[in-house]
Amino acid sequence: ETGVTQTPRHLVMGMTNKKSLKCEQHLGHNAMYWYKQSAKKPLELMFVYNFKEQTENNSVPSRFSPECPNSSHLFLHLHTLQPEDSALYLCASSQDGTGNTEAFFGQGTRLTVV
Amino acid sequence: AQSVTQPDIHITVSEGASLELRCNYSYGATPYLFWYVQSPGQGLQLLLKYFSGDTLVQGIKGFEAEFKRSQSSFNLRKPSVHWSDAAEYFCAVAPYTGGGNKLTFGTGTQLKVEL
Repeated sequence: ETGVTQTPRHLVMGMTNKKSLKCEQHLGHNAMYWYKQSAKKPLELMFVYNFKEQTENNSVPSRFSPECPNSSHLFLHLHTLQPEDSALYLCASSQDGTGNTEAFFGQGTRLTVV
Repeated sequence: AQSVTQPDIHITVSEGASLELRCNYSYGATPYLFWYVQSPGQGLQLLLKYFSGDTLVQGIKGFEAEFKRSQSSFNLRKPSVHWSDAAEYFCAVAPYTGGGNKLTFGTGTQLKVEL
């Protein structure tokens, strides 16, 4: 149990579908992150939220839309995805948005776009 | 821009043997440095971190890492590997100033342990 829970663990969706990934942290942290882990590529930072405000969008296509309603929850809304978007999406949280705080990761959502 | 290089994609060691996983980084100043481990189907677990001070840091599961500024390296070591250590290992850096905890990862090293 890492304190960061992601649902669902697995998701298969068609290119015309709309779905959402959910992340919840029980650690009292104020910063939350979405990372993408594709096969044979380094983990890529997608978005950063610090105290519910988005502080980083790493040139992510608009078909990925994050939402952070409070410091404990983070969503990633998906629409009209492409097969190359199939990957493991990892959520993480840290005490705040500074570099010297440890990031705790969830177990990820394995997304397959068909 | 910062970057991380893990030159070994796969490493195989015998159980009980020592282990060293290499990590080199590129950054304008001393970054924050991390090693994470990922078991199949799981998220990432932090093994250890370097922020400042003693350049030899101890982590969980008997792992340690040494920061060498002159070589821009942060290699992970374990004196005696256990079969349960088989997993993928990621080195990561975060900027020292500003920008938040934005981790840049290496491509990972897959560790196989032979019994």
